[in-house]
Amino acid sequence: EDKVVQSPLSLVVHEGDTVTLNCSYEVTNFRSLLWYKQEKKAPTFLFMLTSSGIEKKSGRLSSILDKKELSSILNITATQTGDSAIYLCAGSYNTDKLIFGTGTRLQVFP
Amino acid sequence: GAVVSQHPSRVICKSGTSVKIECRSLDFQATTMFWYRQFPKKSLMLMATSNEGSKATYEQGVEKDKFLINHASLTLSTLTVTSAHPEDSSFYICSASRGGRGPGELFFGEGSRLTVL
Repeated sequence: EDKVVQSPLSLVVHEGDTVTLNCSYEVTNFRSLLWYKQEKKAPTFLFMLTSSGIEKKSGRLSSILDKKELSSILNITATQTGDSAIYLCAGSYNTDKLIFGTGTRLQVFP
Repeated sequence: GAVVSQHPSRVICKSGTSVKIECRSLDFQATTMFWYRQFPKKSLMLMATSNEGSKATYEQGVEKDKFLINHASLTLSTLTVTSAHPEDSSFYICSASRGGRGPGELFFGEGSRLTVL
């Protein structure tokens, strides 16, 4: 059965800390791995990773895919309170279908 | 960026009634839309794929007679929860695919929180 597993389920840190969120996947006909940030309502797109070993970076966020290990990590450096959210990882298959992980709830305190 | 609008954002209904949720792509045509369901503190679960002009494709375990999906135009898909029961209470989110450019071009609606009393 296809699945995407994220860890940790929740994380509490102080502003300025660096965090690493993990995602592992078993997805038939896997195409790409996506990361989303969900605050109160709709998930917002962060990264899409298709190739193994190539880091994608956006400001303080970066992510990389390891196809051999069927996993990905999302790093956030110098965290801010505005980074508090649920971070969702999803594996895509059959064009645009997504299977989501359980999410990691990140809380950043001042 | 592309905008997907969902309406209503919140709805409370009595058990046994039907509720319709709309998903609109405001500035692009979406041949494919997806409907997800999210339980509290859980992840999004794909319910069905909605294709303009054809029948929706439902994921395993999703009752198609319970969750009616209509994709009447390139900018609108609707999800109707029929004969709603308290266990149908959930957060429903749609996403729309822009031009088949892959999952990086999927845009999510704001979600609709359904509470069935």
